[in-house]
Amino acid sequence: GENVEQHPSTLSVQEGDSAVIKCTYSDSASNYFPWYKQELGKRPQLIIDIRSNVGEKKDQRIAVTLNKTAKHFSLHITETQPEDSAVYFCAASIGWDGGSQGNLIFGKGTKLSVKP
Amino acid sequence: DTAVSQTPKYLVTQMGNDKSIKCEQNLGHDTMYWYKQDSKKFLKIMFSYNNKELIINETVPNRFSPKSPDKAHLNLHINSLELGDSAVYFCASSPRLSGSSTGELFFGEGSRLTVL
Repeated sequence: GENVEQHPSTLSVQEGDSAVIKCTYSDSASNYFPWYKQELGKRPQLIIDIRSNVGEKKDQRIAVTLNKTAKHFSLHITETQPEDSAVYFCAASIGWDGGSQGNLIFGKGTKLSVKP
Repeated sequence: DTAVSQTPKYLVTQMGNDKSIKCEQNLGHDTMYWYKQDSKKFLKIMFSYNNKELIINETVPNRFSPKSPDKAHLNLHINSLELGDSAVYFCASSPRLSGSSTGELFFGEGSRLTVL
């Protein structure tokens, strides 16, 4: 089955710096790669996702890149702010149009701390 | 309006007891899930139901029994609770995948179960 590895487990940056979180996956059939943010005591929420037919996607200060050959994908946060502090999870799954998402396998999370 | 709601939010009980957690979604999604988040924040899928039918059943002790009376509800019953069952249990739902739908998981607020 799919296995998702995520690094680093903790990341501390100064406000305004960039943060990068990396994930690798094992199943080459995986085609959907979302990133979730979980603030302390809250539910995980989707912040950005990418399908395997796209190499990069950007939404304001966050971007995700995907390298299918190497089976890794990364989250990039620029100009970090204290409110970016949270646990970030990458995930991978096999999904198909008209069907369900399939088994979404999460990485173990990265605790990001942004210091003012 | 709460999209995915689960009750109770907190549950403290003794070892050996039986307890249930209820989940309801008003998003019209076809697929619902139960995830377990342990003390290390690792999110692991337990079950997935699509239109009331079980489609994913990960390696979970058979003390855990999901029930889906209709596609808007997915309840989790746990028999003979053990200390290791202490965790936050998240219910989630997702839409059918399509060109316009990402298959995003919408999580409930979580139910924190503490077994003493």
